Amino acid sequence: AQKVTQAQTEISVVEKEDVTLDCVYETRDTTYYLFWYKQPPSGELVFLIRRNSFDEQNEISGRYSWNFQKSTSSFNFTITASQVVDSAVYFCALTPRGRGSTLGRLYFGRGTQLTVWP
Amino acid sequence: DGGITQSPKYLFRKEGQNVTLSCEQNLNHDAMYWYRQDPGQGLRLIYYSQIVNDFQKGDIAEGYSVSREKKESFPLTVTSAQKNPTAFYLCASSINRQNTEAFFGQGTRLTVV
Repeated sequence: AQKVTQAQTEISVVEKEDVTLDCVYETRDTTYYLFWYKQPPSGELVFLIRRNSFDEQNEISGRYSWNFQKSTSSFNFTITASQVVDSAVYFCALTPRGRGSTLGRLYFGRGTQLTVWP
Repeated sequence: DGGITQSPKYLFRKEGQNVTLSCEQNLNHDAMYWYRQDPGQGLRLIYYSQIVNDFQKGDIAEGYSVSREKKESFPLTVTSAQKNPTAFYLCASSINRQNTEAFFGQGTRLTVV
């Protein structure tokens, strides 16, 4: 069974604060991909990052950083010095790649609504 | 520009009517997907297709039908059998079944009136 949990339903911060969005996943597959997507008010999902289960190196892209820890099955997302334009719903997702799994399909968490106030 | 186009953006349907949502991609992707989004529930998979003329049910396929006659097109029909069709529908595609990255359309918001 595949499951992605985003326990934070809504987060509000003031501009320039740092914020971390949590993601915990469950899978029996030893190989999988993890993703983060951003959904602005327009509705389209915007791809942010993909992480292979074999690669536990943390990644930084500008103000965004991701912390992947296999030991705790977590893939957390931090925005440093948040801005109003970061306001959106953020989804964590999982794609299993093991034999017998439905390759290609995404399992999504319920999303975290981030609001950044000026 | 390459991408996924969903139309219409807003759709209203009377109860008891079938309605078809369009999804077209010019990315030359093999795999295409339909997801349904309800408030506070994330995205759930309705149908997916890994190749032309083949498609599989997702987790919530009841009341929906699809076709994949062309690589670039994957229309979704919401039938009258779907008990609660009001939702936001998102179409996605990926290069192949490995799905290293899925691209999404802008979505169609369907409202039953």
